[in-house]
Amino acid sequence: KQEVTQIPAALSVPEGENLVLNCSFTDSAIYNLQWFRQDPGKGLTSLLLIQSSQREQTSGRLNASLDKSSGRSTLYIAASQPGDSATYLCAVARGGGATNKLIFGTGTLLAVQP
Amino acid sequence: DAGVIQSPRHEVTEMGQEVTLRCKPISGHDYLFWYRQTMMRGLELLIYFNNNVPIDDSGMPEDRFSAKMPNASFSTLKIQPSEPRDSAVYFCASNRGGNQPQHFGDGTRLSIL
Repeated sequence: KQEVTQIPAALSVPEGENLVLNCSFTDSAIYNLQWFRQDPGKGLTSLLLIQSSQREQTSGRLNASLDKSSGRSTLYIAASQPGDSATYLCAVARGGGATNKLIFGTGTLLAVQP
Repeated sequence: DAGVIQSPRHEVTEMGQEVTLRCKPISGHDYLFWYRQTMMRGLELLIYFNNNVPIDDSGMPEDRFSAKMPNASFSTLKIQPSEPRDSAVYFCASNRGGNQPQHFGDGTRLSIL
């Protein structure tokens, strides 16, 4: 059974700092891995999707990496801003016939202090 | 572009009542997903549809829960009868399938008293 873990559960950093959020998963047979952000009272917004054949994806100040063999992904946020404060969730899409089923981690609550 | 639209945003009702949650996916998206989010269990997939057909309902917790998708632009999730432990935020999401990200609605916050 696939399990997804995110560390740390919460993180507080001063504005401008570079930071790394971690995600680990137990079954390397994944279809893709996705990072989302969730603002209070809102749904999830997709940030980056890494296909199983890819090693990383970048969007603006965000960079996500994937190492299937070790069951790890990291989300790197450069030059953090108060607007980056949110909960960040990673999710893995299972392989085989269940490529659309996402298994979510419990999230990292990020606070960027001005 | 309109995103995924869910209604109502908030629902408070008494135990035993029927609850109906509604979702309009993004036009052109072939897949629709219903999720439930709680503090204890996080975000869980309940059921998903492809081209209006339920594909996997293994996450539906009990027979009290049912979901339908009568056409490509509308889906409902019903709970009958509702119980206090059903209190959660219910999300609907849609995508085009494959390696396409899922787009989420803002959710329905459900409270069963």
